[in-house]
Amino acid sequence: QQPVQSPQAVILREGEDAVINCSSSKALYSVHWYRQKHGEAPVFLMILLKGGEQKGHEKISASFNEKKQQSSLYLTASQLSYSGTYFCARLRGGGADGLTFGKGTHLIIQP
Amino acid sequence: DTGVSQDPRHKITKRGQNVTFRCDPISEHNRLYWYRQTLGQGPEFLTYFQNEAQLEKSRLLSDRFSAERPKGSFSTLEIQRTEQGDSAMYLCASSSPESSYNEQFFGPGTRLTVL
Repeated sequence: QQPVQSPQAVILREGEDAVINCSSSKALYSVHWYRQKHGEAPVFLMILLKGGEQKGHEKISASFNEKKQQSSLYLTASQLSYSGTYFCARLRGGGADGLTFGKGTHLIIQP
Repeated sequence: DTGVSQDPRHKITKRGQNVTFRCDPISEHNRLYWYRQTLGQGPEFLTYFQNEAQLEKSRLLSDRFSAERPKGSFSTLEIQRTEQGDSAMYLCASSSPESSYNEQFFGPGTRLTVL
């Protein structure tokens, strides 16, 4: 029941673009995106809300298709600092409970 | 630093021993979560508190695990009779009562190694 992410890994050259996809078989009311660098805690990036609302963070933006229960994270003109593992997550249920995370997408940016 | 803090950062123990971890959430965050993360996986939800009340526990939280948040501030996670399968990163996160969509902020984690 965890969200499914694709691809599992991406290797880019600095300046290239990437798209990370997240889909869920359970109804999505919101999608949470986190980035985790090796040995560190996950860092909150953004929340996507139902209604197709799109929010951005630096050169990272995302979209949420409520009907398809999918979200995509767009990394434009990638920088070395974007390297890490990206996770999407959904709320386990309504209200203030925990998150169910996908398995993550490993992003490696090479100079 | 006003972020989520966890102590200790690393813990090595022998199988069968008890361990206890502490989490201090961001000030005024009334929601507190515990997750476990193993290598190559995303964090897995264990339990969460709203103020001092433990509102949900995952099936991952066996009888050997117990969590408390006695005064609605810091929380402790205890693992009794540790097993090698308990080796993982234990993450704590907190969320503000003003967050409608449960934006969670994570601490640095406690890495547990059971020998």
